[in-house]
Amino acid sequence: AQSVTQLDSHVSVSEGTPVLLRCNYSSSYSPSLFWYVQHPNKGLQLLLKYTSAATLVKGINGFEAEFKKSETSFHLTKPSAHMSDAAEYFCVVSDHSGGSQGNLIFGKGTKLSVKP
Amino acid sequence: EAGVAQSPRYKIIEKRQSVAFWCNPISGHATLYWYQQILGQGPKLLIQFQNNGVVDDSQLPKDRFSAERLKGVDSTLKIQPAKLEDSAVYLCASSFAGTASDTQYFGPGTRLTVL
Repeated sequence: AQSVTQLDSHVSVSEGTPVLLRCNYSSSYSPSLFWYVQHPNKGLQLLLKYTSAATLVKGINGFEAEFKKSETSFHLTKPSAHMSDAAEYFCVVSDHSGGSQGNLIFGKGTKLSVKP
Repeated sequence: EAGVAQSPRYKIIEKRQSVAFWCNPISGHATLYWYQQILGQGPKLLIQFQNNGVVDDSQLPKDRFSAERLKGVDSTLKIQPAKLEDSAVYLCASSFAGTASDTQYFGPGTRLTVL
């Protein structure tokens, strides 16, 4: 069975400093991995996804993530935080098993706060 | 391109009442999902449709929840009777083919409060 663990429930950074949101996954298959962002009272938006191509994935708004199979990790990074990055971030693995292909399994989320 | 539409955006009901949510996916998307997101948690899949057939409803509490996608386009999710623990945001998502690597696009959600 697939699962994801987001290692921090809350991360606080200052504007202009780097962002690191950590995620570890468990999967019996070669996984598809995603990062979604959820701003308050808004829907989930895809930041980026990994689907067995390049291990370094670039997403929207300057975010990127690196797939490391040996470490079963898919950490999300951004070189310089902006106030507008404050939101909840979800690491997600896609279920490859049988008839449930495409079902997304979400982590518990990391709330990112950005201080001026 | 229009996104996933959901209505209503907010709903407040008393326990034991019934409620229905509506979703219209992105045009051309064969796969439609309903998720439940309880406050402070990540969304959890309730049901997955491929066109108008159910692919996975293993986590749908079938004694009180039902869903349909009659013409393979829009969908309704119903709760009858509602319990306090059903208070959550109900998210609808759609994808083109429903494969593991396919991107799912989410609607804004319906926030349900059960009193």
